[in-house]
Amino acid sequence: EDQVTQSPEALRLQEGESSSLNCSYTVSGLRGLFWYRQDPGKGPEFLFTLYSAGEEKEKERLKATLTKKESFLHITAPKPEDSATYLCALNYGGSQGNLIFGKGTKLSVKP
Amino acid sequence: DAGVTQSPTHLIKTRGQQVTLRCSPKSGHDTVSWYQQALGQGPQFIFQYYEEEERQRGNFPDRFSGHQFPNYSSELNVNALLLGDSALYLCASSPLAEAKNIQYFGAGTRLSVL
Repeated sequence: EDQVTQSPEALRLQEGESSSLNCSYTVSGLRGLFWYRQDPGKGPEFLFTLYSAGEEKEKERLKATLTKKESFLHITAPKPEDSATYLCALNYGGSQGNLIFGKGTKLSVKP
Repeated sequence: DAGVTQSPTHLIKTRGQQVTLRCSPKSGHDTVSWYQQALGQGPQFIFQYYEEEERQRGNFPDRFSGHQFPNYSSELNVNALLLGDSALYLCASSPLAEAKNIQYFGAGTRLSVL
């Protein structure tokens, strides 16, 4: 069973069409949940980290939220330059500091 | 301030060969982690180095080994390459003392095994 599951696998939006990406997890003892953006052939770029249920973080058109078993990345009025793969990762007691990643959501925003 | 740098950017090897990948961490960071990312998958943890020692290891065979130098830079070595080792290899650094443990990634080394 996957410890971190992201959905959908792929998402196609029109420019300006808001939506949300989901990251659910089954581990306990969460120490931190991280969102990264990855462009093709590049390394993941850090976006947000969340540590406790109810926490929210915002950056430009992106907003990340955290509940006890899932996190959402909300994208408001996306632009074509937001097209990328968004990765969710977590650090929990059993991982001892290394990150456990989901498979990512590939977002395409058409003009 | 330079971020995490990795070299080379691309590498082509044949089965059975050995390869060494290099990583320089972000300034002020003393911990280096290595990840393997297959096409269409999320990164998978290989191992982490701190104070020149392997601190944690993921589910990878002994063919994967590493080293950390006194200046905190690191190497990943893979022996007896298999076709399945073809992937993007990512290095990430973090300041261990920081409780947030945010890991910052380099651009990666794309390894192709023929």
